Amino acid sequence: GAGVSQSPSNKVTEKGKDVELRCDPISGHTALYWYRQRLGQGLEFLIYFQGNSAPDKSGLPSDRFSAERTGESVSTLTIQRTQQEDSAVYLCASSLALPGAFSGNTIYFGEGSWLTVV
Amino acid sequence: RKEVEQDPGPFNVPEGATVAFNCTYSNSASQSFFWYRQDCRKEPKLLMSVYSSGNEDGRFTAQLNRASQYISLLIRDSKLSDSATYLCAVTGHQLTFGKGTKLSVIP
Repeated sequence: GAGVSQSPSNKVTEKGKDVELRCDPISGHTALYWYRQRLGQGLEFLIYFQGNSAPDKSGLPSDRFSAERTGESVSTLTIQRTQQEDSAVYLCASSLALPGAFSGNTIYFGEGSWLTVV
Repeated sequence: RKEVEQDPGPFNVPEGATVAFNCTYSNSASQSFFWYRQDCRKEPKLLMSVYSSGNEDGRFTAQLNRASQYISLLIRDSKLSDSATYLCAVTGHQLTFGKGTKLSVIP
């Protein structure tokens, strides 16, 4: 597709269940990012992938969170044993290269996956 | 000191006003700077990159002050459609966002 695609758009899950969120980046984009945004709050960095390099997982809030990416394609973010504090929109973004790699390297966001834990 | 800080606002301004936002960053090694716009319950969208010499795009002007480690965004002749949250973003190990400044342009 033309843009970053995320699914599901909305997910309501019971506390304690596992959820999997999917991100399909723009074709050819080597860098992929996951952010979390709680209602009324700023963007919180979770993880990024760059080509075949080891991902930067420094933003993952706990070991209940994990993410994978196969090559330069789809990524999945998994949250195990969900808690109510996990309720947020999870935003995926992609870019041709890492931020700052060259002038004009733009990061594009998907519309997000809205997660509600009840 | 937080990596990227912004005044959360809200800024309530009348149509036609000029409004300015500042954003400070703590990592002196940061190389790239951006302003994003985020509408309510929507994803952030790039408004403009910020270049060392400053840059302008229509009613929007962005400037960078490396010595003082801040970037600014100036919006002239505000329109109702400018109402949104404006996020600054700075590269370090990854792209770090400020929490955003909310702007409401009032008729």
